[in-house]
Amino acid sequence: TQLLEQSPQFLSIQEGENLTVYCNSSSVFSSLQWYRQEPGEGPVLLVTVVTGGEVKKLKRLTFQFGDARKDSSLHITAAQPGDTGLYLCAGARNTNAGKSTFGDGTTLTVKP
Amino acid sequence: DAGITQSPRHKVTETGTPVTLRCHQTENHRYMYWYRQDPGHGLRLIHYSYGVKDTDKGEVSDGYSVSRSKTEDFLLTLESATSSQTSVYFCAISEAQGGDEQYFGPGTRLTVT
Repeated sequence: TQLLEQSPQFLSIQEGENLTVYCNSSSVFSSLQWYRQEPGEGPVLLVTVVTGGEVKKLKRLTFQFGDARKDSSLHITAAQPGDTGLYLCAGARNTNAGKSTFGDGTTLTVKP
Repeated sequence: DAGITQSPRHKVTETGTPVTLRCHQTENHRYMYWYRQDPGHGLRLIHYSYGVKDTDKGEVSDGYSVSRSKTEDFLLTLESATSSQTSVYFCAISEAQGGDEQYFGPGTRLTVT
C-alpha cells in the first residue's frame, strides 16, 4: 500500500507568519497534487508537480517536488486568514489505473 | 470550476434502509470516483470508474456498490445502511490516466441513525 504522510497534522499560526507543511512517502509518484479544502466544501486543486526538483509558485504559496519524486512541501509566505483550511496532498502513478493516494491532510488555522 | 454536482446534499436515513447517492458531471471526463471523508481518516476511496460500465473497488468498498450506465452519471448505493456509514461522501472526476488532477463535487453529508 502506498502511503502519503503529511505533517504537521495541525498548525495554528498568526497572520503574517511563514509556514511549511510536508508530504512524504516511500513510493515514487509520476505526479503529486496539492488541494485545499474549506469546511463544508470539496477539495479544490491548487497545483500539480511532475518533475523531480520542480518548484511552482502560486501567489504566496510555493510548492516543491522532491528530487526523487517521493515527497513534496508547501510553503506559505505571510499567511492570511483566508489561507485557513485543510491542505491535502495526493500522489498518482500512471500504472495505478486511475487511482490517486491521498494523505490525511494538514489543518491550518491562521489567526487575525 | 468543473461541472460536477452531487445529490442529495444532505440525507438522514435509518439503519437497514437502502440509499443511493448520485454524481453528475458535464465535463465528459473518463474517470469518476467516490470517496468518504471521516475525521482522522482523510479521503478514502470507495469505488471508482474508468469508463461506462467499467468500475473497480477502492480501499473501503465493503457495503457499497456502484453503477455507471452513462459517462455523466456515477451512482453509489448503500444496500443496507449502517451507522458506520455515517460520513461525508465526495465524488470526483478526472481525465488523466494516472488519476491525478481530480475535481471534486460539493459533497453529500449522510447520517445513518
